[in-house]
Amino acid sequence: AQSVSQHNHHVILSEAASLELGCNYSYGGTVNLFWYVQYPGQHLQLLLKYFSGDPLVKGIKGFEAEFIKSKFSFNLRKPSVQWSDTAEYFCAVNIDSNYQLIWGAGTKLIIKP
Amino acid sequence: NAGVMQNPRHLVRRRGQEARLRCSPMKGHSHVYWYRQLPEEGLKFMVYLQKENIIDESGMPKERFSAEFPKEGPSILRIQQVVRGDSAAYFCASSPQGSGAPATQYFGPGTRLLVL
Repeated sequence: AQSVSQHNHHVILSEAASLELGCNYSYGGTVNLFWYVQYPGQHLQLLLKYFSGDPLVKGIKGFEAEFIKSKFSFNLRKPSVQWSDTAEYFCAVNIDSNYQLIWGAGTKLIIKP
Repeated sequence: NAGVMQNPRHLVRRRGQEARLRCSPMKGHSHVYWYRQLPEEGLKFMVYLQKENIIDESGMPKERFSAEFPKEGPSILRIQQVVRGDSAAYFCASSPQGSGAPATQYFGPGTRLLVL
């Protein structure tokens, strides 16, 4: 069965540190890839998405992600994090343009001021 | 432009009672999806509905769970005779398109159900 793995369940960084959150999926066909963020007490928000084209995708708030098809990965990056980036980050995939989103377990990011 | 609305945000039920969760999609969206998130896990797909139609309920438990999206009004996820294992966050999402094309899903704030 298709699955999405986020290997880091908890990440703690200091402000201004660089961030990379891993996301790997298991499916060899066409995929659409998403990163969602959930700030404390708020709903899930779309950070960025990849459907096709340039594999380096830029999202909101300075985040970007790179789709590496050969590695089945879609890692999220930010060069310099801020305290306000403290949140839970979810990677999600849909396959063959199917509507079902398959989700990773999430990564809780804590930024120390 | 209101986003996806869900109510209630928090719901407490005793075992055996019924839980009704409501979701109003974004304006102009006719597709609704329900997901469940158990503690420390990612979201799991439950059901996909269009107005008056259940398109895919493959993620719904076979018993006690039902969903509808009537012509008028919000989508309802109903859980009958709740058990402690139903305690979870239930998220609703909507999109302007469904299967056959990439569709970005926009999420509501979720309903946290606690079964005592």
